[in-house]
Amino acid sequence: DAGVIQSPRHEVTEMGQEVTLRCKPISGHNSLFWYRQTMMRGLELLIYFNNNVPIDDSGMPEDRFSAKMPNASFSTLKIQPSEPRDSAVYFCASSLEGVREKLFFGSGTQLSVL
Amino acid sequence: GENVEQHPSTLSVQEGDSAVIKCTYSDSASNYFPWYKQELGKGPQLIIDIRSNVGEKKDQRIAVTLNKTAKHFSLHITETQPEDSAVYFCAAISNFGNEKLTFGTGTRLTIIP
Repeated sequence: DAGVIQSPRHEVTEMGQEVTLRCKPISGHNSLFWYRQTMMRGLELLIYFNNNVPIDDSGMPEDRFSAKMPNASFSTLKIQPSEPRDSAVYFCASSLEGVREKLFFGSGTQLSVL
Repeated sequence: GENVEQHPSTLSVQEGDSAVIKCTYSDSASNYFPWYKQELGKGPQLIIDIRSNVGEKKDQRIAVTLNKTAKHFSLHITETQPEDSAVYFCAAISNFGNEKLTFGTGTRLTIIP
């Protein structure tokens, strides 16, 4: 298996633009997680899906952030409009079932909002 | 919610020596404690985990100990090697409300050849 695949690896955009991050989880995994990593706040859970249904979105910063999982093999995280403070590394992770299983992380998307 | 504190933030160890990273957690209901290793430019990778029904777990050069009374757990790496250089994160999950994995702030470990 190729592991969790994220795209793009790097994204540079201007403030106010829409940004879409993509994730393909490991086949057969039922849970998908979006994390944000910054120096100041470390690794933060943004949202967690189980069987394509959002279970916990309490970490989504505000209405500018939205996440979807239309099927078991694809998820998106959208920021609209983007702001400089959104600059961070965004990780997608998947697990067989829930948070008590090994999480497999993708390589992340480095987002820079100018 | 859960609060996980991790110390030290940076650690330099001579190759071959041991390294110890410590974490404390706030929620006494927490019962699952994984450790992740993050190499430069990569996502975190699980290296070992422990559940609250045991006090220690070992996997080759890596071991984790758990003290439920004191609410702290530690990662021990023996016979360190250059490839152990990375950032290490502890984490905890509690049963309270929605289960959520809360990460510590990370320890940058540098192995000095």
